[in-house]
Amino acid sequence: ETGVTQSPTHLIKTRGQQVTLRCSSQSGHNTVSWYQQALGQGPQFIFQYYREEENGRGNFPPRFSGLQFPNYSSELNVNALELDDSALYLCASRPGTSGIGGNHEQYFGPGTRLTVT
Amino acid sequence: DQQVKQNSPSLSVQEGRISILNCDYTNSMFDYFLWYKKYPAEGPTFLISISSIKDKNEDGRFTVFLNKSAKHLSLHIVPSQPGDSAVYFCAASGRGNTGKLIFGQGTTLQVKP
Repeated sequence: ETGVTQSPTHLIKTRGQQVTLRCSSQSGHNTVSWYQQALGQGPQFIFQYYREEENGRGNFPPRFSGLQFPNYSSELNVNALELDDSALYLCASRPGTSGIGGNHEQYFGPGTRLTVT
Repeated sequence: DQQVKQNSPSLSVQEGRISILNCDYTNSMFDYFLWYKKYPAEGPTFLISISSIKDKNEDGRFTVFLNKSAKHLSLHIVPSQPGDSAVYFCAASGRGNTGKLIFGQGTTLQVKP
C-alpha cells in the first residue's frame, strides 16, 4: 500500500510569486485535506477536497486554492506569496463516502517546506 | 482562539517510565480526538484516537483517556522508549466529520536511555 507522497520537498520563492504544491493520496483514499504548519505550531486546516470539489475550508484567503484530480491526486496553489506563507505544507488523505463522515483518521505526507524571501 | 491546547511545550522522561502528555479543549462540539506523532522531516503519523462516547482507548503501549467534563485528554505511553522521542500533537474533529482537524501546538517528548 503506497502512502501519501508530496512534491517538491523544499521550495524557495520570492514574495509576490505563485507556487504549486503536489500531493498523491494514499491508495483507496478519495478525500484530501491540506494543512499549513508554521514553525513551533500545530498544523492548520486550509481546505478539503472530495470528488474534485472543495467541501470544507479553514480561515485562509482566496489566494489559497486547490485542485483534486480524478485519480485523487491534488494540488495546492498559492498566489501573491507573502513572507508569512513560509511554512511546512502538509497533505493528508482519508477514505470518505461523501467527504463528510467516514474515518476521522487522516494520513499525512512528509510535507513541502516553502520559504518565501 | 486556541480551541485545542497543549500547555507543556516539552517533556523529558527516563526510558521505561511512563510518559503522560496532556491536552485541553474548549469546544464541547468536538466528538473525536486523535494523537499524532511527528519526527523531524516527516509528516505527522497517526497514533491513537478516541470517540467522545468513550473515556479510554488502549493500543499496546499507548492509552488515551478522555475526561469530557473537564474537556481534557491525555496520552499515556508505558513503558517509554527512546524511539518515542518526537513531537506529539493532539487533534480534535467536530460532529459530522467535515475533514477539519484542529491541532494543539505540540509537546516535544524526549525519552532518555
